[in-house]
Amino acid sequence: EAQVTQNPRYLITVTGKKLTVTCSQNMNHEYMSWYRQDPGLGLRQIYYSMNVEVTDKGDVPEGYKVSRKEKRNFPLILESPSPNQTSLYFCASSSTRLAGVPYEQYFGPGTRLTVT
Amino acid sequence: TQLLEQSPQFLSIQEGENLTVYCNSSSVFSSLQWYRQEPGEGPVLLVTVVTGGEVKKLKRLTFQFGDARKDSSLHITAAQPGDTGLYLCAGAQRSGSARQLTFGSGTQLTVLP
Repeated sequence: EAQVTQNPRYLITVTGKKLTVTCSQNMNHEYMSWYRQDPGLGLRQIYYSMNVEVTDKGDVPEGYKVSRKEKRNFPLILESPSPNQTSLYFCASSSTRLAGVPYEQYFGPGTRLTVT
Repeated sequence: TQLLEQSPQFLSIQEGENLTVYCNSSSVFSSLQWYRQEPGEGPVLLVTVVTGGEVKKLKRLTFQFGDARKDSSLHITAAQPGDTGLYLCAGAQRSGSARQLTFGSGTQLTVLP
């Protein structure tokens, strides 16, 4: 079954304690992306990756890091989480067309993060 | 400033009615995607449109991409309670080496039985 998995699904942590949210896809997609979803602000892209070792900033990259060492995995790292990073996070992977433009995104189930 | 403006933000209609959701921008997109999201779940792709003027149909849903690839619409015919959900449009831009995706703020649709 084609899917995007994220772990953990729920996480409560304290300010400053480093954390990693994992993301994995089994569709051999080149394009992967992280989003955060906040009430009234919608889905905002944090980082995306067009292929292994190729990552780029989205609209709200501050306070986040990513890496793409393998095609299937795209972890999101919060080195020093702060309360304003409390949000619902989604990982997605996508097929591409037109010179790497994402075409059909598949989303993971989401990770609800609370930073106190 | 929201790159993609969706309207209306909220829509509550009776079963059987028709509706249209709009997604507008001043920017040109290489492709535009429509998603539906249920509470507590990730968005699910409905359709991707690529060519200016393109029209795609998915059962009772009709999607259109504007001729200039700056706007799109989603029309639902004879809405049913199962259509209830958050509808999102997302535009993909190609600028140099960048391949960003930007989402609209969403349209919360409620179809009453």
